[in-house]
Amino acid sequence: AQRVTQPEKLLSVFKGAPVELKCNYSYSGSPELFWYVQYSRQRLQLLLRHISRESIKGFTADLNKGETSFHLKKPFAQEEDSAMYYCALGNTGTASKLTFGTGTRLQVTL
Amino acid sequence: NAGVTQTPKFQVLKTGQSMTLQCAQDMNHEYMSWYRQDPGMGLRLIHYSVGAGITDQGEVPNGYNVSRSTTEDFPLRLLSAAPSQTSVYFCASSLTGDTEAFFGQGTRLTVV
Repeated sequence: AQRVTQPEKLLSVFKGAPVELKCNYSYSGSPELFWYVQYSRQRLQLLLRHISRESIKGFTADLNKGETSFHLKKPFAQEEDSAMYYCALGNTGTASKLTFGTGTRLQVTL
Repeated sequence: NAGVTQTPKFQVLKTGQSMTLQCAQDMNHEYMSWYRQDPGMGLRLIHYSVGAGITDQGEVPNGYNVSRSTTEDFPLRLLSAAPSQTSVYFCASSLTGDTEAFFGQGTRLTVV
């Protein structure tokens, strides 16, 4: 069975500090990993996916198959990054059929 | 462009009542899905559709029915509501199985 683990419910950092949101997965096939974000009073939206290898809003994530991890990183946190972040796992061709982690709330304070 | 629209936004039901949560998308997406979100559990897939006339079960399908008679609509039916179905429900759609999933704003359902 596939599973996604986000060990931190809440991550609180100061503005300008580095951010790392952890995500580990369990899956026997070829995984596709995603990070979704939900800002206050907004709907869930895609932040990035591993196959695109893009940097979105300064965030990056590298898929490490050896450690089965897909941690989300940003070198300098901004107040507007405060949100709920979900790591999600799919397999090829199932970007809408996802297994989500429990989410991490990122709180960026001054 | 409305995207994915869910109605209603809020609903209170009595145990045993039935109701349908509506989901519509105007992006001509083939793939649509329903998730429920419970505290401390993330989003879990209820049912899934890869096109009109085709549906499949997800991780937690019991107590829910779906149908996909058109590309645009993917309603979720609760036949006999139970308190365990109190949750926030999200509908999502994507153009294909490999493209970004777009989510609705959610329906908060309380069963008393």
